[in-house]
Amino acid sequence: GESVGLHLPTLSVQEGDNSIINCAYSNSASDYFIWYKQESGKGPQFIIDIRSNMDKRQGQRVTVLLNKTVKHLSLQIAATQPGDSAVYFCAETGGTGFQKLVFGTGTRLLVSP
Amino acid sequence: SQTIHQWPATLVQPVGSPLSLECTVEGTSNPNLYWYRQAAGRGLQLLFYSVGIGQISSEVPQNLSASRPQDRQFILSSKKLLLSDSGFYLCAWSPPWVNTEAFFGQGTRLTVV
Repeated sequence: GESVGLHLPTLSVQEGDNSIINCAYSNSASDYFIWYKQESGKGPQFIIDIRSNMDKRQGQRVTVLLNKTVKHLSLQIAATQPGDSAVYFCAETGGTGFQKLVFGTGTRLLVSP
Repeated sequence: SQTIHQWPATLVQPVGSPLSLECTVEGTSNPNLYWYRQAAGRGLQLLFYSVGIGQISSEVPQNLSASRPQDRQFILSSKKLLLSDSGFYLCAWSPPWVNTEAFFGQGTRLTVV
């Protein structure tokens, strides 16, 4: 969207810490949300998703929280590892018929050993 | 299983030369297809998407065009490249009829010199 021209914000954490990456979305009709991880020089890879009928979903070391009231999404990574260093993007879609996937501004996560 | 192939991985082209990037998807029918561009250190910008053969939707006015000559083939083209066309180009697909995650190719790094 409009944020693609901005430099990515960066979150720096120590290995073993928990990381929280936040994302605000704008479309009230969106009912499906995805977090992607993008390593340098590669395409984004799916991490976890959540539908609007849920407010929390857990995966392996990752949790996604959805607050529809304030249109906010977060990704929590437990016990962050150096291999988690990457750019993380949230994406939204939803509504009736075909709806393209809209990406938010990414966040660069840097994990120090 | 479904796979997406995108080539070439890297490309260096002079200003004013033509461009053709190709993307193919295997293992599915009638996928939604997407072309994204990513400038260095920035977010994902949707350029084109297609919900069927011969159907192309353009998101932003630019020096590029897209075509879908076959169900699982998506091509990004330019007649004359500009320096500003440099970037990381990503092809993606998503299943038809449902709003769900998109699966990305490995990307093409284009440098216009």
